[in-house]
Amino acid sequence: NAGVMQNPRHLVRRRGQEARLRCSPMKGHSHVYWYRQLPEEGLKFMVYLQKENIIDESGMPKERFSAEFPKEGPSILRIQQVVRGDSAAYFCASSPRGGRTEAFFGQGTRLTVV
Amino acid sequence: AQTVTQSQPEMSVQEAETVTLSCTYDTSESDYYLFWYKQPPSRQMILVIRQEAYKQQNATENRFSVNFQKAAKSFSLKISDSQLGDAAMYFCAYRTSGAGGTSYGKLTFGQGTILTVHP
Repeated sequence: NAGVMQNPRHLVRRRGQEARLRCSPMKGHSHVYWYRQLPEEGLKFMVYLQKENIIDESGMPKERFSAEFPKEGPSILRIQQVVRGDSAAYFCASSPRGGRTEAFFGQGTRLTVV
Repeated sequence: AQTVTQSQPEMSVQEAETVTLSCTYDTSESDYYLFWYKQPPSRQMILVIRQEAYKQQNATENRFSVNFQKAAKSFSLKISDSQLGDAAMYFCAYRTSGAGGTSYGKLTFGQGTILTVHP
């Protein structure tokens, strides 16, 4: 049973470009969480999604960031017009359902904006 | 909103010795979960140990144990017989129980403690 798969592991973008980060949850998991880790800091919650629904996006920046989790395929975190401050590690976690169930993390995508 | 504080940016320990990492949190909820995660240089987040707030007994996983003081809102991690492979960043995290309709598993993390293990 494969774990949570994130790709790419490393992504370099120039300022102004778009970044697309992908997360394939564990088999049978329908809940996905995205976190951002800035250098030398802890992980910060960004968004919680279930299939085809955004449940909680309270941690998402208001502009340039969006997330989706379609009925088929991976969850996508999209950052438009990236800036240097977007450079960070982005982690995805998945769980079979919310609440008391455990979430499992992927290895993260390190985004570098040059 | 819940907050998690780790007041030790860095800690060090000699191999085979014991070290304790501190964590405090703030919440108005009575039922919740607390976790310690390990993040080695590979960046993978590895769950070390979890504690359910309604359980009075401190959780233990092999060489890892916690001291959970609910009234003081304190949740420290003790690593016994430290090994070189324990060297990593350690994060304390809080999660609501999901009771009362808040049925999601969002984690709130502390700032992390870098643990160095000396041979």
